[in-house]
Amino acid sequence: QSALTQPASVSGSPGQSITISCTGTSNDVGGYNYVSWYQQHPGKAPKVLIYEVRNRPSGVSNRFSGSKSGNTASLTVSGLQAEDEGDYYCSSYTSRTTVIFGGGTKLTVL
Amino acid sequence: EVQLVESGGGLVQPGGSLRLSCAASGFNFNNYWMSWVRQTPGKGLELVANLKQDGSEIYYVDSVKGRFTISRDNAKNSLFLQMNNLRAEDTAIYHCARPVMRYFDWILSHFDYWGRGTLVTVSS
Repeated sequence: QSALTQPASVSGSPGQSITISCTGTSNDVGGYNYVSWYQQHPGKAPKVLIYEVRNRPSGVSNRFSGSKSGNTASLTVSGLQAEDEGDYYCSSYTSRTTVIFGGGTKLTVL
Repeated sequence: EVQLVESGGGLVQPGGSLRLSCAASGFNFNNYWMSWVRQTPGKGLELVANLKQDGSEIYYVDSVKGRFTISRDNAKNSLFLQMNNLRAEDTAIYHCARPVMRYFDWILSHFDYWGRGTLVTVSS
């Protein structure tokens, strides 16, 4: 199964908002409300930001929000801060105990 | 605090073997499925294997079936990945991760904790 499609890179200035898209098919993103988003800084473990399309774990800033329309999920980061720079990955349930991931998006804060 | 710490990576020749370990702490290891997820610059993240609490259910991605074996020792709060007949395309950082399961373990929703990973390089 092919990976979910994400833009390779996005950028924004401090204080601005950016959105990262994650496109799949009706067999994954479009078929289930089990989309999650992860943030990873260099040399660090991935950290879950959003799960089940729009839910934020305790401790995650409300500047991060998730949504979905059809086969495309989106992560919006508002009020960009320097610490938001890093790699972002989406993931979706596909079948039974399996998930697929997006190829990752590098966020640069200008 | 939940911690997952991987070890056992290294440089190995094609056809060789490695055994990865993941030491878990800060939660009741017995109560959770566990997973291995690998990461490469070219392919991004890929779920490699899942294992249920009691070992009764296992998932492997097709590309590692017959070569990799996931196992656990609940008494030692440890997860393992035995990797045999390694190929160049297995080169990656291997992360131990804790999946969140829904609907009576039918659906893998997301991973709520990850380790930093251990690097496996397969090269002659």
